[in-house]
Formats: sequence, structure tokens, C-alpha cells
Amino acid sequence: DAGVIQSPRHEVTEMGQEVTLRCKPISGHDYLFWYRQTMMRGLELLIYFNNNVPIDDSGMPEDRFSAKMPNASFSTLKIQPSEPRDSAVYFCASSYGGATGTGELFFGEGSRLTVL
Amino acid sequence: TQLLEQSPQFLSIQEGENLTVYCNSSSVFSSLQWYRQEPGEGPVLLVTVVTGGEVKKLKRLTFQFGDARKDSSLHITAAQPGDTGLYLCAGQGGNEKLTFGTGTRLTIIP
Repeated sequence: DAGVIQSPRHEVTEMGQEVTLRCKPISGHDYLFWYRQTMMRGLELLIYFNNNVPIDDSGMPEDRFSAKMPNASFSTLKIQPSEPRDSAVYFCASSYGGATGTGELFFGEGSRLTVL
Repeated sequence: TQLLEQSPQFLSIQEGENLTVYCNSSSVFSSLQWYRQEPGEGPVLLVTVVTGGEVKKLKRLTFQFGDARKDSSLHITAAQPGDTGLYLCAGQGGNEKLTFGTGTRLTIIP
């Protein structure tokens, strides 16, 4: 079975450019999460969706960040305009909540973003 | 905000030794998960504990959830190079969000 698929794996861009990260969750999962990982701050939750609806975006750093989930099999995280401090590894994860909450998170391999 | 502090931050030991890493918080969690992350990959779930005082074993790994459900420990017996990685605890509170700890980066020297 395919796991969570993220693209691109690596992105190098210049400050001010728009960045779009993509995620395909595991089929049948009803939760999707976007995390950011840096050495300084660890793994931070940016936003999560339940049944394609954004539930909590309180972790989104600022208005330059936006996320969408147009259907159950696709989500995007967009940064516009990008800044050097956005450099990090961005992870998408999905889970099946069931009766006990969000359950086990299955992570993609991450998208490593470098903003010059 | 529920904070999870992990200690030690870094640990480097010889193959065959035993070790314990800790995950502490001032908040109560309904459940706590442990993940291991290898370079270039996403975290992978090792175990979920839900009951205060619960102990779970996964081969050479022993996980314990504190009685008050505020802390947890991971003990590895006879560490092997394959145990090398970043160990992350993650707590789930009253809402659906998982809060991840600061992580322990473990290196096992052959």
C-alpha cells in the first residue's frame, strides 16, 4: 500500500518566490496534518484537517502561509512570499481518527525547503 | 500550550549498553505516543500508551506511562546500531491535536 506521498522532496527557491508543497494522504484516512521541523523548534503543527475541513490553523506562522484540502486525496501548503526563515522540512501526515481521536499518524518523507 | 520536554537532548552510547530517555510535561495527556525518526524520513510510530502506569514492551524497548499521565519513559536494553535515530514523544490532550516533544537524538556506536 502506498503511504503518504509528498512533493517535491527538495525545493530551493529565492526569497519572495511562491512555494507550493503537495500531499496525498493514505486512502481512507480522515485526518491530515501539516508539520514543520527545524533543529531549533522541533516538530511544530501548522494546521490540520478533518474530512477536508480545516479544524485548527493556529500554528500557521502568518498570513504568508495558507493550506487547502480540495478533496480527500490532496492537500497543498503554500507560502507566498517565501522568506529565508521559512527554510525547514515540511511534513504531511494522515491518520484515521476512529473513536479514539486522531490515532496513529503516518508521515510522508517530507519536503525540504531552502529559501535563499 | 502543552509542552513536552525530552531528556537528554543528545545521547551517544556504545553498542550493548542500556539507556533510558524521558518525556515530561506539566499537562495531563489522554494518551502518549513514541515515534522514531531516521534521517531523511518521517517519524514512525513505535507505541501508544493510554493508561496511567501502563508498561508496554516492544522487543528490547520498554515504554512506561506515568501514573498521573504527565510523563513517560523509554528504556532500551542492549542497544544496537539500528536503534540510532531521533526519538519523539507526542501527547494528545483534550482536543485532537498531537503535541510533539523536543526529541532525543540517540547514536549507538558499534
